Amino acid sequence: DARVTQTPRHKVTEMGQEVTMRCQPILGHNTVFWYRQTMMQGLELLAYFRNRAPLDDSGMPKDRFSAEMPDATLATLKIQPSEPRDSAVYFCASGLLAGGAIYEQYFGPGTRLTVT
Amino acid sequence: RKEVEQDPGPFNVPEGATVAFNCTYSNSASQSFFWYRQDCRKEPKLLMSVYSSGNEDGRFTAQLNRASQYISLLIRDSKLSDSATYLCAVTMTTDSWGKFQFGAGTQVVVTP
Repeated sequence: DARVTQTPRHKVTEMGQEVTMRCQPILGHNTVFWYRQTMMQGLELLAYFRNRAPLDDSGMPKDRFSAEMPDATLATLKIQPSEPRDSAVYFCASGLLAGGAIYEQYFGPGTRLTVT
Repeated sequence: RKEVEQDPGPFNVPEGATVAFNCTYSNSASQSFFWYRQDCRKEPKLLMSVYSSGNEDGRFTAQLNRASQYISLLIRDSKLSDSATYLCAVTMTTDSWGKFQFGAGTQVVVTP
């Protein structure tokens, strides 16, 4: 049963510290998404990649957030420096887009981040 | 106006009853449609894709109305385990092809 994995599952850090979240997409999926979810804002798209190339990161605060895919099996989301307002659940999701066919997107379990 | 809108609910449903709710989308170029289920403090899980002709999966039926730009989800014979938040998702046919837009979710509470 292929799944998206994310680490860490929980992270508590102090304001100003760097936070790195990691995601392993489902093998064979060519699209990776990073979302943030809060009670107030719901599910927000931060960035997404296709075939490891960034397609859209307009949802990310550029001054402090960065997202990369060093290889096909790893996506990272980094926050530096972190702020209390970054406290949220960060989800990674992966999917397959091929030949214009409808594809589906599967979520990882999320990283619950608390910045104090 | 948000691109994808849902009634937040909650929809309180007696066990065994039927519940239905909609999701409206604003972009007529929307291409693909999905329903996800999210339990409290868990990740969204794909419930079903929504096809033009409508589709059914057990007690769940999804429909697409392109003319009025909405999708619907109907749950028959509700179970306590159906209590969750249901998110709709829409993808567009623009240069952001494949980018998902999610609704804020509809909460369903099934009561004994």
